[in-house]
Amino acid sequence: GAGVSQSPSNKVTEKGKDVELRCDPISGHTALYWYRQSLGQGLEFLIYFQGNSAPDKSGLPSDRFSAERTGGSVSTLTIQRTQQEDSAVYLCASSLVFLIGQGGEETQYFGPGTRLLVL
Amino acid sequence: AQSVAQPEDQVNVAEGNPLTVKCTYSVSGNPYLFWYVQYPNRGLQFLLKYITGDNLVKGSYGFEAEFNKSQTSFHLKKPSALVSDSALYFCAVRALEGYNKLIFGAGTRLAVHP
Repeated sequence: GAGVSQSPSNKVTEKGKDVELRCDPISGHTALYWYRQSLGQGLEFLIYFQGNSAPDKSGLPSDRFSAERTGGSVSTLTIQRTQQEDSAVYLCASSLVFLIGQGGEETQYFGPGTRLLVL
Repeated sequence: AQSVAQPEDQVNVAEGNPLTVKCTYSVSGNPYLFWYVQYPNRGLQFLLKYITGDNLVKGSYGFEAEFNKSQTSFHLKKPSALVSDSALYFCAVRALEGYNKLIFGAGTRLAVHP
């Protein structure tokens, strides 16, 4: 079946502009994750959604970063007033429901990423 | 704090030879461990995972990994490397707190030469 899709695949923007990155998870996956991959920081967790709620936002680097998910499906990561240090590949992943407190584990499947360059 | 270490930035191996990509972890309790592979300009592809049970885990594309609790290691192996295996490999551990988020190693670039 179809995997996780992300758009755009590449985005070049000027410092100070806002950007929106989109993630379309695998159909039926209720858990959705955003990660960032950068040269200096490696792969780092940003935010997790279960359905439309985000119980874990601990990885968002600043209040310029926000994310939402609607209809339990598509998610949008928004970066306001972009800075050059925001340049990175933003990866989205999805998994089947993660049962909190029950020690559940579900494999995360990743999309191709959005490569963001802030000039 | 949980962490994952991949001690080699790059591993070079000749086609047909066995390959090993090393991973060690630090986590309290029982770890959930994963290997992912990333090809150029692509996302991460899941290779295999260890949750519980047999210490030798088999995954996609002929890869396998051995969980060693005493050495806190989860090395990725393949008996016979292919040129097409050349890629960036990431080891990850599931965080004990939080909601299934993954903590990744820095990655190891595997280069398989003909």
